[in-house]
Amino acid sequence: AQKITQTQPGMFVQEKEAVTLDCTYDTSDPSYGLFWYKQPSSGEMIFLIYQGSYDQQNATEGRYSLNFQKARKSANLVISASQLGDSAMYFCAMRTFNQFYFGTGTSLTVIP
Amino acid sequence: GAGVSQSPSNKVTEKGKDVELRCDPISGHTALYWYRQSLGQGLEFLIYFQGNSAPDKSGLPSDRFSAERTGGSVSTLTIQRTQQEDSAVYLCASSSLAGGLADTQYFGPGTRLTVL
Repeated sequence: AQKITQTQPGMFVQEKEAVTLDCTYDTSDPSYGLFWYKQPSSGEMIFLIYQGSYDQQNATEGRYSLNFQKARKSANLVISASQLGDSAMYFCAMRTFNQFYFGTGTSLTVIP
Repeated sequence: GAGVSQSPSNKVTEKGKDVELRCDPISGHTALYWYRQSLGQGLEFLIYFQGNSAPDKSGLPSDRFSAERTGGSVSTLTIQRTQQEDSAVYLCASSSLAGGLADTQYFGPGTRLTVL
């Protein structure tokens, strides 16, 4: 069963605009962690932001914020003021006790 | 300090041969993870080690895949009798386990395996 779903294979955004990358997840565990990673064309996975299932507030890290809607099981990534260097693949991931799940990714292209 | 390193960076092998992929985690990191990323796909979790033991090996795709970690440091992922469908990028990550569920994984550059 698909645990992490990213429905946007590709997205385009104008430089300096904000963009939302969608992620929904499926788990029956009450405790879980949600992550977003960036994978530039160089291939390395770069950690961006984390949200815990018990966290009351949405996580923020600089220009990145995570829109966590627990009842809807969604964990969308919001990138504000997009930059050309934000062009990359973005993966949503979930960790439960001993299992780790990644989505299929969204390719983001920032247009000058 | 050094990040996660993996070797080789590229490996081309013939169908039916065995291959060994190596991962050297960040010094002091207790946990080590292996993933497989096929072309255009997300990451498929294979196995993770807490110290030298792997609590759950159910993510390994078949019994041709095995992994070990010795001395709480370097790990080797071995694929026996390689098949063309094993072609992928194999990523390794490590973490300190200090953060529980929030524990951040730091990834290596990957090994690109091509089975001819």
